[in-house]
Amino acid sequence: QVQLVESGGGVVQPGRSLRLSCAASGFTFSTYGMHWVRQAPGKGLEWVAVISSDGSNQYYADSVKGRFTISRDNSKNMLYLQMNSLRAEDTAVYYCAKGGRGSGSYVRYMDVWGKGTTVTVSS
Amino acid sequence: DVVMTQTPLSLSVTPGQPASISCKSSQSLLYRDGKTYLYWYLQKPGQPPQLLIYEASNRFSGVPDRFSGSGSGTDFTLKISRVEAEDVGVYYCMQSIQLPPTFGQGTKVEIK
Repeated sequence: QVQLVESGGGVVQPGRSLRLSCAASGFTFSTYGMHWVRQAPGKGLEWVAVISSDGSNQYYADSVKGRFTISRDNSKNMLYLQMNSLRAEDTAVYYCAKGGRGSGSYVRYMDVWGKGTTVTVSS
Repeated sequence: DVVMTQTPLSLSVTPGQPASISCKSSQSLLYRDGKTYLYWYLQKPGQPPQLLIYEASNRFSGVPDRFSGSGSGTDFTLKISRVEAEDVGVYYCMQSIQLPPTFGQGTKVEIK
């Protein structure tokens, strides 16, 4: 059974940093792309970033480019999101989600989502 | 970015009755590989989103057959043949023909 468990959320001041983690189990982690998607309070879904199965390719939403870094450790079945220079508008529930396999497919969809971790950016 | 527009934004349905949600994209979602990169998700209250339909018309594993997706190009529809109480939540369409993947605003479905 595929399971994704996010952690690392919390309350942080504007301009500070936070690192989110996502522990994956129940599937061959190293063969799937992985995404981060966020949802601001009472709002819809916003895609944040995706990383290829081997970690060699990453893509970001313009709203986080240059501030956030997605990475993974396939030896530990872990996905990460390093968030720097946080802003109030980054306040959201952050979900990690399993993507597809293959060089083209990994960016195409998210088929299983974790329960999310909440990030609040406030002074 | 590709803009996804859903209608209606809210829907109140009697159990056992059908429901339909429309999703329109600002450009065609048909890729040169012949696939249409349109997905439907349901976010039940207090839960993360769950995948219902992939590539416009394919039900994801475990999704009841009362859910169906159709459409092509820029116009898509999610249909629930007979709404059940467990179908309440917000439905989102998403495109991934190009990065960034973008979602519709969501359609909130409630039971009368």
